[in-house]
Amino acid sequence: EVQLVESGGRLVQPGGSLRLSCAASGFAFSNYAMTWVRQTPGKGLEWVSAVTGSGGSTFYIDAVKGRFTISRDNSKNTLYLQMTSLGVEDTAVYFCAKGNVYDQLDYWGQGTLVTVSS
Amino acid sequence: DIQMTQSPSSLSASVGDRITITCRASQNIIGNLNWYQQHPGKAPKLLLYATSRLQSGVPSRFSGSGSGTDFTLTISSLQPEDFATYYCQQSFNTPSTFGQGTKLDI
Repeated sequence: EVQLVESGGRLVQPGGSLRLSCAASGFAFSNYAMTWVRQTPGKGLEWVSAVTGSGGSTFYIDAVKGRFTISRDNSKNTLYLQMTSLGVEDTAVYFCAKGNVYDQLDYWGQGTLVTVSS
Repeated sequence: DIQMTQSPSSLSASVGDRITITCRASQNIIGNLNWYQQHPGKAPKLLLYATSRLQSGVPSRFSGSGSGTDFTLTISSLQPEDFATYYCQQSFNTPSTFGQGTKLDI
């Protein structure tokens, strides 16, 4: 059974940093691209970033380029999202999902809440 | 970025009804269109991919059609568990984008 479990979300002040993790199990992790999607009440679902199975290629939306870094450790079956210079607009539930920018997202984690506020 | 527009934004229906949700892309996305279902407080769940391909385990009352810029999701006979929010997503190019959602309630 495919399982994706996010962690790391919390309250952080504007300008702060945070690293989200997504522990994967039940599939050959290194064979699949992985994606981060966030959700806010106001903007709905927003694709944020993706990384290929090898980690060699990454993709970002313009709003997070230069601030967020997606990475993965295939030896630990874990996906990461390093977030810096956080702003209130980054407040959202962050989901990790299996799949790439050119694919459907066939499995999702339960999400982790990031709140950026002073 | 490709804009995805769903209609309606909300829809009231009854168990047993047939309903259709429309998704329009701002440019041609060929058939790279996916549909997700989300219940409150839960993660989105993939229903259909590549316009009309049913994800494993999804009931056959769900179907999809369309091409180019106009796509539809149809539920042939609503069941109580189908009352949720539905999102379309284009996976034609980067960044992938979602529709704003259609809330289906009783």
